[in-house]
Amino acid sequence: ETGVTQSPTHLIKTRGQQVTLRCSSQSGHNTVSWYQQALGQGPQFIFQYYREEENGRGNFPPRFSGLQFPNYSSELNVNALELDDSALYLCASGQGLNEKLFFGSGTQLSVL
Amino acid sequence: GESVGLHLPTLSVQEGDNSIINCAYSNSASDYFIWYKQESGKGPQFIIDIRSNMDKRQGQRVTVLLNKTVKHLSLQIAATQPGDSAVYFCAEGSYSGYSTLTFGKGTMLLVSP
Repeated sequence: ETGVTQSPTHLIKTRGQQVTLRCSSQSGHNTVSWYQQALGQGPQFIFQYYREEENGRGNFPPRFSGLQFPNYSSELNVNALELDDSALYLCASGQGLNEKLFFGSGTQLSVL
Repeated sequence: GESVGLHLPTLSVQEGDNSIINCAYSNSASDYFIWYKQESGKGPQFIIDIRSNMDKRQGQRVTVLLNKTVKHLSLQIAATQPGDSAVYFCAEGSYSGYSTLTFGKGTMLLVSP
């Protein structure tokens, strides 16, 4: 167990809806990153938050947004859902801007 | 990038064998490399990492080899066990001001008793 928890574990939405996914970081970690993993693929970097500020972003449109809270928990918000957004969304936390990321088990999002 | 869809490369071994999983990485400027293990229904689990100024690093039952000349990374697992069955990803990263990882396509390891 990594100490990173995500909720919900599974979610079904319809195209055009909005979704919020949540992550609780491992104790002592102040960096959180979000990744999208399509079926049969490796995770792809969405963005990273460090001390409540977005600190880096991958090749994802603005309808993917996030927040990090003072207790270092985090949210991933996706607006105007598309069918291709169906994937496993992974949250990973770390202690500072180092390379060791500890992943949660993910939220499986299905967009119908 | 290329997509392998649902058909991951698969390595099938017998329990007790040594396994070698290979990975070709893309960025010659990457500063570090990590191997992750992902079991069904779980997130990636850290196995071992190696910095770009090293060519070999050993852990418990695992060894990572880095060949920067040909941009190749390998993970060796000694005395493979059924519990090692999972998808293995290599990931590369750089100290660019934020810690982002670029993951490879993944290899499925199947260990038969």
